Amino acid sequence: DAGVIQSPRHEVTEMGQEVTLRCKPISGHDYLFWYRQTMMRGLELLIYFNNNVPIDDSGMPEDRFSAKMPNASFSTLKIQPSEPRDSAVYFCASSLREVGFTSPLHFGNGTRLTVT
Amino acid sequence: GDSVTQMEGPVTLSEEAFLTINCTYTATGYPSLFWYVQYPGEGLQLLLKATKADDKGSNKGFEATYRKETTSFHLEKGSVQVSDSAVYFCALRVGGYQKVTFGIGTKLQVIP
Repeated sequence: DAGVIQSPRHEVTEMGQEVTLRCKPISGHDYLFWYRQTMMRGLELLIYFNNNVPIDDSGMPEDRFSAKMPNASFSTLKIQPSEPRDSAVYFCASSLREVGFTSPLHFGNGTRLTVT
Repeated sequence: GDSVTQMEGPVTLSEEAFLTINCTYTATGYPSLFWYVQYPGEGLQLLLKATKADDKGSNKGFEATYRKETTSFHLEKGSVQVSDSAVYFCALRVGGYQKVTFGIGTKLQVIP
């Protein structure tokens, strides 16, 4: 089991540029989550998918953020245009749908984004 | 809405000391409760979980008991090691909503 794979590990970009973060969930997992982690706000849920369909995107900060899941093995989070306040670590996580909703999340190692 | 409250860190302990990290929650439904650990430069990983009242989750010497009457899920370890230095997150997941709500995280530093 390769775990959740995120790329790139680090991204440095200039304000106004487009940024695309990538995630490959664990095979067979039904749910995929995108989180953002900062010192000030901790872990924030941005959006999650069930069977490739976006279920709740109420955590997406604004229209500059978009996420897609074209198939069960790939998801992207895009920021366009990027701003310095978007600097954070972005995590992707996946999970199974277990009876009773007791399944934990499996996290990738994150993408550290720095916008200058 | 659902929320998790953790004690503020950082917590600094000497090796072999007793650890308690407090966690309380509010939930609209009947949650499953989790503790995750994050080591530097890595994602969160599950440490232990409990899915119903009075359940005790345990792993690697850590324990936490699901207390419905006090809405708490405190993390404990009898004797910490330097390798336990990390950030610990309490979390809940409510059936039907699938969202996992995390606490702010508590940084633990264990010194030799």
